[in-house]
Amino acid sequence: DQQVKQNSPSLSVQEGRISILNCDYTNSMFDYFLWYKKYPAEGPTFLISISSIKDKNEDGRFTVFLNKSAKHLSLHIVPSQPGDSAVYFCAPGGRGSTLGRLYFGRGTQLTVWP
Amino acid sequence: DGGITQSPKYLFRKEGQNVTLSCEQNLNHDAMYWYRQDPGQGLRLIYYSQIVNDFQKGDIAEGYSVSREKKESFPLTVTSAQKNPTAFYLCASSIAVTSTDTQYFGPGTRLTVL
Repeated sequence: DQQVKQNSPSLSVQEGRISILNCDYTNSMFDYFLWYKKYPAEGPTFLISISSIKDKNEDGRFTVFLNKSAKHLSLHIVPSQPGDSAVYFCAPGGRGSTLGRLYFGRGTQLTVWP
Repeated sequence: DGGITQSPKYLFRKEGQNVTLSCEQNLNHDAMYWYRQDPGQGLRLIYYSQIVNDFQKGDIAEGYSVSREKKESFPLTVTSAQKNPTAFYLCASSIAVTSTDTQYFGPGTRLTVL
């Protein structure tokens, strides 16, 4: 039972354009959402997070939007750069039985071409 | 230089042998985690530990064992009972096991069972 879904396995974007990566979740106990970036054969690195009390968090070129009613979040990268090419994982965590746990989606492979 | 180290980077074992993967952190984090990643999959939680001498099963603990005798170390043993041990194994740590504490990952160990 997948609680976190990243329905696009891959995304290809031209350098300088916007990249939008989407994530849907089913568990209403999730109240904190993290995005990780991963290069092949390396561990994921933390990118940006958002709490459920917010609907937007921005950090440089990266912005995460949260729509709690739709149980949907998205990561926007503007402008996209070739170095952004990696797999991006959405990883929510939350209260109650999910406390302390992160649940990872399957990831979206982003390719930024010149 | 603070961080998480995993060794070795690549590990080969014969079927039927137990193998132990190392994970060490000098971040003074209380919580540590083991994940497994398979191609096209997200990260799946094997075991986690909130404090020394304590650990809990994750979603796919069967065929694995852990110990937490020191705060800095959380070794994972892949036993011969694990049916599909070939995978990329990732260790992570966080300040504590809460939904808002970012998990930081090591570089991973690629285990291949022949």
